[in-house]
Amino acid sequence: GESVGLHLPTLSVQEGDNSIINCAYSNSASDYFIWYKQESGKGPQFIIDIRSNMDKRQGQRVTVLLNKTVKHLSLQIAATQPGDSAVYFCAAGGGYSTLTFGKGTMLLVSP
Amino acid sequence: NAGVTQTPKFQVLKTGQSMTLQCAQDMNHNSMYWYRQDPGMGLRLIYYSASEGTTDKGEVPNGYNVSRLNKREFSLRLESAAPSQTSVYFCASTHGSTSSYEQYFGPGTRLTVT
Repeated sequence: GESVGLHLPTLSVQEGDNSIINCAYSNSASDYFIWYKQESGKGPQFIIDIRSNMDKRQGQRVTVLLNKTVKHLSLQIAATQPGDSAVYFCAAGGGYSTLTFGKGTMLLVSP
Repeated sequence: NAGVTQTPKFQVLKTGQSMTLQCAQDMNHNSMYWYRQDPGMGLRLIYYSASEGTTDKGEVPNGYNVSRLNKREFSLRLESAAPSQTSVYFCASTHGSTSSYEQYFGPGTRLTVT
């Protein structure tokens, strides 16, 4: 099966800094990876995804990097804002259409 | 377009009581999921339905049953609630095609079993 882990349970940054949240997965057959943001009291919201045939994908202020050699992905948030404070989850999956989620990293942004 | 809706938002049960959590989506998605979220544990898959008429166990199915009532609705039933089932429950759906595996989540049901 798949297991997904995050390296840090909490990440504290200053407003305006760039944030990097890391994630590791175990199953080399996983070919789809996704990042979610969860604000307090709400359901997870999609941020960005990437397939295994790519190693980088960019969105608005966010970039996901995938290193299949070491089974690692990261989420980079540029110019972090107080509204980015939330728990961030990575998940891995594939053609079997289920996702395995990591435990989450809480991002705290201070002004 | 409401996305994924869940009812109720909050529920308190006594040990041994039963209840059904309701989930509906209006995105014409094929696949639907039930997760539970506990502090420090992330999201764990309870059951899923890859398409209308099918259901499969996930990582933590014990103590739960599901029904895929139609393409829109996927319910989760606790037959005899236990304190260990105190959690936040999320329903999610996805189109189910190979073009995207993005799952859309509902707002959650916060369940306390005393």
